[in-house]
Amino acid sequence: NAGVTQTPKFQVLKTGQSMTLQCAQDMNHEYMSWYRQDPGMGLRLIHYSVGAGITDQGEVPNGYNVSRSTTEDFPLRLLSAAPSQTSVYFCASSYSVAGTVYNEQFFGPGTRLTVL
Amino acid sequence: AQTVTQSQPEMSVQEAETVTLSCTYDTSESDYYLFWYKQPPSRQMILVIRQEAYKQQNATENRFSVNFQKAAKSFSLKISDSQLGDAAMYFCAYRSGGNDMRFGAGTRLTVKP
Repeated sequence: NAGVTQTPKFQVLKTGQSMTLQCAQDMNHEYMSWYRQDPGMGLRLIHYSVGAGITDQGEVPNGYNVSRSTTEDFPLRLLSAAPSQTSVYFCASSYSVAGTVYNEQFFGPGTRLTVL
Repeated sequence: AQTVTQSQPEMSVQEAETVTLSCTYDTSESDYYLFWYKQPPSRQMILVIRQEAYKQQNATENRFSVNFQKAAKSFSLKISDSQLGDAAMYFCAYRSGGNDMRFGAGTRLTVKP
Protein backbone atom coordinates (compact mmCIF):
# COMPACT_ATOMS: atom_id res chain seq x y z
CA ASN A 1 0.00 0.00 0.00
CA ALA A 2 1.21 3.51 -0.83
CA GLY A 3 -0.83 4.97 2.06
CA VAL A 4 -1.64 8.66 1.62
CA THR A 5 0.05 10.40 -1.29
CA GLN A 6 0.18 14.11 -2.07
CA THR A 7 1.36 16.04 -5.09
CA PRO A 8 3.19 18.28 -5.58
CA LYS A 9 5.74 18.33 -2.75
CA PHE A 10 6.63 21.97 -3.37
CA GLN A 11 4.83 24.77 -5.19
CA VAL A 12 5.37 28.48 -5.71
CA LEU A 13 2.44 30.61 -6.84
CA LYS A 14 1.87 34.26 -7.58
CA THR A 15 -0.90 36.15 -5.83
CA GLY A 16 -4.20 35.54 -7.61
CA GLN A 17 -3.24 32.27 -9.25
CA SER A 18 -5.29 29.14 -8.65
CA MET A 19 -4.14 25.58 -8.22
CA THR A 20 -5.17 22.18 -6.95
CA LEU A 21 -3.31 20.10 -4.39
CA GLN A 22 -3.86 16.43 -5.03
CA CYS A 23 -4.41 13.80 -2.35
CA ALA A 24 -5.09 10.09 -2.73
CA GLN A 25 -5.26 7.12 -0.38
CA ASP A 26 -5.42 3.40 -1.12
CA MET A 27 -6.59 2.18 2.30
CA ASN A 28 -10.34 2.50 1.60
CA HIS A 29 -10.69 5.02 4.42
CA GLU A 30 -14.00 6.82 4.70
CA TYR A 31 -12.65 9.94 6.36
CA MET A 32 -10.24 12.35 4.65
CA SER A 33 -9.11 15.79 5.68
CA TRP A 34 -6.87 18.71 4.81
CA TYR A 35 -4.78 20.61 7.35
CA ARG A 36 -2.47 23.54 7.14
CA GLN A 37 0.56 23.86 9.38
CA ASP A 38 1.91 27.25 10.31
CA PRO A 39 4.78 27.96 12.73
CA GLY A 40 3.66 27.96 16.36
CA MET A 41 0.10 26.97 15.53
CA GLY A 42 0.11 23.23 15.09
CA LEU A 43 -2.19 21.79 12.44
CA ARG A 44 -5.50 23.43 11.68
CA LEU A 45 -8.33 21.73 9.84
CA ILE A 46 -9.38 23.28 6.52
CA HIS A 47 -11.99 20.85 5.14
CA TYR A 48 -12.92 17.26 5.69
CA SER A 49 -15.03 14.51 4.16
CA VAL A 50 -16.72 11.49 5.74
CA GLY A 51 -17.32 9.75 2.43
CA ALA A 52 -17.73 10.21 -1.31
CA GLY A 53 -20.03 13.12 -2.06
CA ILE A 54 -19.88 14.52 1.50
CA THR A 55 -17.66 17.41 2.55
CA ASP A 56 -17.71 19.96 5.32
CA GLN A 57 -15.76 22.96 6.57
CA GLY A 58 -13.18 22.86 9.27
CA GLU A 59 -11.59 25.61 11.33
CA VAL A 60 -10.02 27.65 8.49
CA PRO A 61 -11.97 27.03 5.24
CA ASN A 62 -11.88 30.47 3.63
CA GLY A 63 -10.12 30.57 0.27
CA TYR A 64 -10.25 26.80 -0.25
CA ASN A 65 -12.64 24.41 -1.97
CA VAL A 66 -12.83 20.62 -1.86
CA SER A 67 -14.79 17.85 -3.51
CA ARG A 68 -14.92 14.10 -2.99
CA SER A 69 -16.11 12.22 -6.04
CA THR A 70 -14.41 8.94 -5.09
CA THR A 71 -13.35 7.27 -1.85
CA GLU A 72 -9.70 7.48 -2.90
CA ASP A 73 -9.28 11.14 -3.92
CA PHE A 74 -9.72 14.39 -2.05
CA PRO A 75 -8.28 17.40 -3.91
CA LEU A 76 -7.90 20.84 -2.34
CA ARG A 77 -8.38 23.88 -4.58
CA LEU A 78 -6.98 27.32 -3.92
CA LEU A 79 -9.27 29.67 -5.78
CA SER A 80 -7.16 32.86 -5.79
CA ALA A 81 -3.91 32.41 -3.91
CA ALA A 82 -2.90 34.98 -1.29
CA PRO A 83 0.37 35.34 0.67
CA SER A 84 -1.56 34.36 3.83
CA GLN A 85 -1.97 30.90 2.30
CA THR A 86 1.78 30.30 2.40
CA SER A 87 1.97 27.18 4.53
CA VAL A 88 2.59 23.46 4.62
CA TYR A 89 -0.50 21.46 3.68
CA PHE A 90 -1.21 17.95 4.88
CA CYS A 91 -3.80 15.51 3.70
CA ALA A 92 -4.86 12.76 6.10
CA SER A 93 -7.24 9.82 6.19
CA SER A 94 -8.71 7.53 8.81
CA TYR A 95 -11.08 4.61 9.18
CA SER A 96 -14.11 4.38 11.40
CA VAL A 97 -14.61 2.07 14.32
CA ALA A 98 -18.16 0.87 14.91
CA GLY A 99 -19.33 3.04 12.03
CA THR A 100 -18.95 6.46 13.59
CA VAL A 101 -15.92 6.67 15.83
CA TYR A 102 -12.74 7.81 14.12
CA ASN A 103 -9.35 6.79 15.33
CA GLU A 104 -5.83 7.80 14.35
CA GLN A 105 -5.15 9.66 11.15
CA PHE A 106 -2.63 8.65 8.51
CA PHE A 107 -0.85 11.60 6.96
CA GLY A 108 0.58 12.30 3.55
CA PRO A 109 4.10 13.75 3.18
CA GLY A 110 2.86 17.33 2.91
CA THR A 111 3.06 20.11 0.32
CA ARG A 112 5.06 23.26 0.98
CA LEU A 113 3.27 26.14 -0.73
CA THR A 114 4.70 29.62 -1.13
CA VAL A 115 2.55 32.46 -2.46
CA LEU A 116 4.48 35.52 -3.62
CA ALA B 1 -14.72 23.66 21.29
CA GLN B 2 -12.05 21.27 22.40
CA THR B 3 -8.59 22.78 22.83
CA VAL B 4 -5.18 21.19 23.23
CA THR B 5 -2.37 23.02 24.98
CA GLN B 6 1.33 22.22 24.90
CA SER B 7 3.00 24.63 27.27
CA GLN B 8 6.60 23.78 26.34
CA PRO B 9 7.57 25.23 22.95
CA GLU B 10 11.05 23.70 23.26
CA MET B 11 12.66 20.97 25.33
CA SER B 12 16.15 19.57 25.45
CA VAL B 13 17.44 16.21 26.69
CA GLN B 14 20.81 14.51 26.90
CA GLU B 15 21.19 11.32 24.91
CA ALA B 16 20.21 8.24 26.97
CA GLU B 17 18.29 10.37 29.49
CA THR B 18 14.54 10.63 30.03
CA VAL B 19 12.33 13.55 29.06
CA THR B 20 8.64 14.29 29.58
CA LEU B 21 6.55 16.44 27.26
CA SER B 22 3.38 17.99 28.66
CA CYS B 23 -0.08 18.26 27.16
CA THR B 24 -3.40 19.37 28.58
CA TYR B 25 -6.78 19.43 26.86
CA ASP B 26 -10.22 20.78 27.44
CA THR B 27 -13.34 18.76 26.66
CA SER B 28 -16.79 17.97 27.98
CA GLU B 29 -16.82 14.56 26.27
CA SER B 30 -16.32 11.37 28.24
CA ASP B 31 -15.16 9.17 25.37
CA TYR B 32 -12.27 10.23 23.16
CA TYR B 33 -8.81 9.40 21.89
CA LEU B 34 -5.52 11.11 22.60
CA PHE B 35 -2.42 10.89 20.43
CA TRP B 36 1.20 11.92 20.23
CA TYR B 37 2.58 12.50 16.76
CA LYS B 38 6.24 13.02 15.89
CA GLN B 39 7.33 15.27 13.03
CA PRO B 40 11.02 14.94 12.11
CA PRO B 41 12.73 17.37 9.72
CA SER B 42 11.35 15.32 6.81
CA ARG B 43 7.96 16.81 7.99
CA GLN B 44 6.24 13.42 7.81
CA MET B 45 3.70 13.05 10.64
CA ILE B 46 4.34 9.79 12.47
CA LEU B 47 2.05 8.34 15.13
CA VAL B 48 4.03 7.66 18.31
CA ILE B 49 1.38 6.48 20.72
CA ARG B 50 -2.36 6.66 21.35
CA GLN B 51 -4.62 6.36 24.37
CA GLU B 52 -8.32 5.58 24.55
CA ALA B 53 -9.99 7.62 27.28
CA TYR B 54 -11.99 4.67 28.60
CA LYS B 55 -8.81 2.73 29.33
CA GLN B 56 -7.32 3.42 32.74
CA GLN B 57 -4.02 1.77 31.89
CA ASN B 58 -1.42 4.08 30.43
CA ALA B 59 -0.29 3.22 26.90
CA THR B 60 3.32 2.22 26.22
CA GLU B 61 5.24 1.67 23.00
CA ASN B 62 8.82 0.57 23.58
CA ARG B 63 10.66 3.62 24.96
CA PHE B 64 7.55 5.82 24.78
CA SER B 65 4.90 5.91 27.48
CA VAL B 66 2.16 8.26 28.55
CA ASN B 67 0.82 9.50 31.85
CA PHE B 68 -2.91 9.89 31.27
CA GLN B 69 -4.77 11.75 34.01
CA LYS B 70 -8.39 11.92 32.86
CA ALA B 71 -9.73 13.99 35.75
CA ALA B 72 -6.94 16.52 35.33
CA LYS B 73 -7.24 16.37 31.52
CA SER B 74 -3.53 15.81 31.24
CA PHE B 75 -1.67 13.59 28.77
CA SER B 76 2.12 13.71 29.02
CA LEU B 77 4.61 11.76 26.91
CA LYS B 78 7.69 10.21 28.48
CA ILE B 79 10.63 9.25 26.29
CA SER B 80 13.13 6.97 27.98
CA ASP B 81 16.73 6.34 26.89
CA SER B 82 16.51 9.25 24.44
CA GLN B 83 18.20 8.77 21.09
CA LEU B 84 19.43 11.26 18.51
CA GLY B 85 16.67 10.08 16.20
CA ASP B 86 14.06 11.26 18.71
CA ALA B 87 14.84 14.89 17.86
CA ALA B 88 11.69 16.27 16.26
CA MET B 89 8.55 18.31 16.78
CA TYR B 90 6.01 16.47 18.91
CA PHE B 91 2.31 17.20 18.65
CA CYS B 92 -0.35 16.21 21.11
CA ALA B 93 -3.77 15.60 19.52
CA TYR B 94 -7.32 14.95 20.67
CA ARG B 95 -10.21 13.31 18.86
CA SER B 96 -13.73 12.56 20.05
CA GLY B 97 -16.31 10.34 18.39
CA GLY B 98 -16.95 13.16 15.96
CA ASN B 99 -14.80 14.00 13.02
CA ASP B 100 -12.29 16.65 13.99
CA MET B 101 -8.79 16.03 15.35
CA ARG B 102 -7.41 18.95 17.37
CA PHE B 103 -3.69 19.55 17.70
CA GLY B 104 -1.53 21.41 20.14
CA ALA B 105 1.04 23.94 18.92
CA GLY B 106 3.87 21.44 19.31
CA THR B 107 7.05 20.97 21.33
CA ARG B 108 10.42 20.97 19.62
CA LEU B 109 12.67 18.34 21.20
CA THR B 110 16.44 18.60 20.89
CA VAL B 111 18.62 15.62 21.82
CA LYS B 112 22.19 16.46 22.81
CA PRO B 113 24.93 13.87 22.22
